[in-house]
Parts: sequence; structure tokens; C-alpha cells
Amino acid sequence: IVMTQSPATLSVSPGERATLSCRASQSVRSNLAWYQQKPGQAPRLLIYGASTRATGIPARFSGSGSGTEFTLTISSLQSEDFAVYYCQQYDNWPPWTFGQGTKVDIK
Amino acid sequence: EVKLVESGGGLVQPGGSLRLSCAASGFTFSNYWMHWVRQAPGKGLVWVSRINSDASSTSYADSVKGRFTISRDNAKNTLFLQMNSLRAEDTAVYYCARSGYYLPFHNWGLGTLVTVSS
Repeated sequence: IVMTQSPATLSVSPGERATLSCRASQSVRSNLAWYQQKPGQAPRLLIYGASTRATGIPARFSGSGSGTEFTLTISSLQSEDFAVYYCQQYDNWPPWTFGQGTKVDIK
Repeated sequence: EVKLVESGGGLVQPGGSLRLSCAASGFTFSNYWMHWVRQAPGKGLVWVSRINSDASSTSYADSVKGRFTISRDNAKNTLFLQMNSLRAEDTAVYYCARSGYYLPFHNWGLGTLVTVSS
């Protein structure tokens, strides 16, 4: 399954809303996760089951979608949210596949 | 606290071998599937290999099949990746990650850098 994220880069001002998209080449039901990665750090699980926040993840992060179309929304960007975000399907494996990433940077 | 610590990375010549380890703590290691995921410099995340909880089943990306072997020692809470016939394109940070059956990768290690170069 090919995961396609858009846009490649998203420029957002602090306090603004960010909307990231992820599309699967075939249905992955709700077996979709979002990860955040900051430079020099390991990825961190944000969302799983398409819409469930992982432990300790702030409520400003939300996920939606099912099947082939998914969205990660950051309601009000904080300085610590500027990072690269990856979606991943864990429905049809192997392989477990990731999107190419969306970089959220400061406008 | 779940902790995953990779080691064993380094510089190796093309065609060489390297064995990565991932020491796990803070959870019952033998209950979980484990994965290796790699990230080439400046690139995205690519899944490499998976082993189930009792090591009875393994999976590999096509790019490493026949060259890499994943294994685990549940008595020592350690995951391994034996990498043979290394190529320049295997250069990456290698992460171990914890998951389960139809579960995401809940926890990740900090990674270990493998550089394949002459």
C-alpha cells in the first residue's frame, strides 16, 4: 500500500491551524497512525486508529478519516509543533508503509 | 517507563556485516512484536523488518530480504538485526520500535547510525 502525504511542506504562523492530508492507495480501514519527528529525534506516536490520541498528546492534535483519506489537524500551532509529520498504515502488512512526510515550518 | 536503546552502528565497508542490538526495558518484552525502521540521511521512514513476540514469525522489506536477519532474546530483553552484504544504500539511522498485532509503533528507540562506505 502506497501512502501519499500532502503538502510536502506547510508554512504556518504560530497560533494558526494546520491541516495535513494522507491518502492510501487502497483502504486501510482505520488502521492509520500519525507520527511527529523533530530534527535529531526519534519519531513519536501522536494518533492511532485514525483518531485516537496517544498517551500524553495534547488535545490540539486531532485525526480523522477512514478507508483511504485521512487528516491530521493541529488546531493552534505552538512553537514545539514545528516538525515533520508522517502517516503510516498498519492494516495490510508486510510491509508496514509510511508516507513521505509533511514538514510544518514557521511562516 | 518504556525504554529502547539501540547500539552496534558504525562505519562499515560495502559488502561487510554489522549486528545491531536493541535493549528493551520498562515493559514485558516477550509480549510484543518488534520492528526495525530505518531513515536515510534527510529522507523519510522506511520499515525494514518485524519479528513477533515468540520469534516464530519474521518479515522483511524486499530491499533487505536475504541479507538481513531479525532475531530476539526474550530472556535478555534484546532485539537484534544481523546485516550482511551491506550496500551504500543501507546507510541510515536504524530505529527499533515496539508494536503488536494490528497496532501502531507505540515506542521508538533513539536510533543508531549505520554508514556503509569505502
